[in-house]
Amino acid sequence: DGGITQSPKYLFRKEGQNVTLSCEQNLNHDAMYWYRQDPGQGLRLIYYSQIVNDFQKGDIAEGYSVSREKKESFPLTVTSAQKNPTAFYLCASGTSVYGYTFGSGTRLTVV
Amino acid sequence: AQSVTQPDIHITVSEGASLELRCNYSYGATPYLFWYVQSPGQGLQLLLKYFSGDTLVQGIKGFEAEFKRSQSSFNLRKPSVHWSDAAEYFCAVGAVGNEKLTFGTGTRLTIIP
Repeated sequence: DGGITQSPKYLFRKEGQNVTLSCEQNLNHDAMYWYRQDPGQGLRLIYYSQIVNDFQKGDIAEGYSVSREKKESFPLTVTSAQKNPTAFYLCASGTSVYGYTFGSGTRLTVV
Repeated sequence: AQSVTQPDIHITVSEGASLELRCNYSYGATPYLFWYVQSPGQGLQLLLKYFSGDTLVQGIKGFEAEFKRSQSSFNLRKPSVHWSDAAEYFCAVGAVGNEKLTFGTGTRLTIIP
């Protein structure tokens, strides 16, 4: 079945460490998105990519980086510059006309 | 710019009672409208979507939504809620030519026995 796979489900980061969250889709979607979700809050857009080798900053891109070398993959790196990275991260793919398909999320915790 | 408003942050409903979650949007052209549901610790699942045509849209899990252009609304309804409907619900709007969906801030639904 087509869908989006996020891994790992849980991730722990030490202070000053970079970590990378994986997002893979087999839906043949051109566009992919990364959102951050904090308790009791809505979705905040971090980065998005409309096509391979191109991506744009969302509303809260500081402290994050992405790459889009393959259509199927859109990994997100949480860098040490992100001072408050503990959150639930969601990856999605799709369009604003047909809607998005979401992954099941990665919960990142700073230890 | 398009926007979506979900006026109710939290709603509590008794099991078996009817439900209506409100969604208002602001967009000049014909919108594409969506409702998503998120269970705790999970991703968002598409409940239903409106593109054009019949203004009453049927979705999964017994949900429906009605598009009212005159009121700029797309409210989600269910005749009788089940305890498993407890979740966060998000309304979203898109359009041709837009790079991304705009999401509302969500409504948390609590079901009481």
